[in-house]
Amino acid sequence: DQQVKQNSPSLSVQEGRISILNCDYTNSMFDYFLWYKKYPAEGPTFLISISSIKDKNEDGRFTVFLNKSAKHLSLHIVPSQPGDSAVYFCAASANQGAQKLVFGQGTRLTINP
Amino acid sequence: EAQVTQNPRYLITVTGKKLTVTCSQNMNHEYMSWYRQDPGLGLRQIYYSMNVEVTDKGDVPEGYKVSRKEKRNFPLILESPSPNQTSLYFCASSLSWGGEKLFFGSGTQLSVL
Repeated sequence: DQQVKQNSPSLSVQEGRISILNCDYTNSMFDYFLWYKKYPAEGPTFLISISSIKDKNEDGRFTVFLNKSAKHLSLHIVPSQPGDSAVYFCAASANQGAQKLVFGQGTRLTINP
Repeated sequence: EAQVTQNPRYLITVTGKKLTVTCSQNMNHEYMSWYRQDPGLGLRQIYYSMNVEVTDKGDVPEGYKVSRKEKRNFPLILESPSPNQTSLYFCASSLSWGGEKLFFGSGTQLSVL
């Protein structure tokens, strides 16, 4: 049972445009959400997070939106750059605990020049 | 440099031959965890440890063992590997079990023939 789902395995975006990556979850106990970015031959690296008490969190070109009623979050990258090409994992936890961090399947983002 | 170090990076073995994947972190983190990444399934937690001598099962613990005798080391042991354990493995650490930001190693690609 996949509690965190990223339904788009891949996404292709033009350089300079907005990239929107989506993530859905089923467990209403999740209260903390994170995005990780992974380049080939490297481990995932933390990108941005959001607590369930917020509906938006920004960090430079990256913004995460949380819609609790729809159990949906999204990552916006504006403007998209070639270095953003990577696999993006959505993750969620209950009680803000890393011990049970549940990951989605990942979305491969390709930024085209 | 703060890092999580996994060894080896690549490993090919045969069914039933015991193996150990090592993981070490130099950040004095309390929490450590093992994940496996499989196509279409994302990252799934195998085992985690909240501190020395404290370990617990994740979502897919069958066929794996771990130990945490020292704070910095968290080896993953496959007593009798099988082909379904062919996967990309990641070790991760965090400052505490309540910390959301996981630091990942570069991964170990394991093939069991």
